[in-house]
Amino acid sequence: EAQVTQNPRYLITVTGKKLTVTCSQNMNHEYMSWYRQDPGLGLRQIYYSMNVEVTDKGDVPEGYKVSRKEKRNFPLILESPSPNQTSLYFCASKPGPVDSNQPQHFGDGTRLSIL
Amino acid sequence: DAKTTQPPSMDCAEGRAANLPCNHSTISGNEYVYWYRQIHSQGPQYIIHGLKNNETNEMASLIITEDRKSSTLILPHATLRDTAVYYCIETGDGLTFGKGTHLIIQP
Repeated sequence: EAQVTQNPRYLITVTGKKLTVTCSQNMNHEYMSWYRQDPGLGLRQIYYSMNVEVTDKGDVPEGYKVSRKEKRNFPLILESPSPNQTSLYFCASKPGPVDSNQPQHFGDGTRLSIL
Repeated sequence: DAKTTQPPSMDCAEGRAANLPCNHSTISGNEYVYWYRQIHSQGPQYIIHGLKNNETNEMASLIITEDRKSSTLILPHATLRDTAVYYCIETGDGLTFGKGTHLIIQP
């Protein structure tokens, strides 16, 4: 089954403790992206990657890092999490470059709580 | 920031057609209009997309005005399971979701 898989689905942690949210897709998609969703603000893009070793900032990249060493994986790294990063996070993928005529496929989300 | 404008909420009776409007007055010639929906806090689900022509699939129909400055998503026979937040977005330099329309299907 074609899917985008995020782990963990839920995480409660403390300020300053490094964490990584993994994202993996099995559709051989070139483009992958991370979003955060906060009440009243919709989905906002954090980082995206148009292919292996190619990443770029989205609208709200501060406090986050990403890497794209393999096509299928696009982990989101919070080196020193803070409470304002408490949010619902989504990973997405699509084939081709960002302006190709293809929809994105989204994971089921990761709910992070930073205390 | 999102380039599209949608009403924050709408109601529709079960079994009726739900018509969700979207304004995208700054859309450029090669940008598509996409519609997604999000049920509770699940991942957004793709519904339909189009460039100039009207489109239909098993989920919905998309009507795009001739000047491409607005579009309407039509759910022909809404059910309670269609209650969700519906997002209209343009492709382009980024894939920015706005706040969407919260569609509530009333029994």
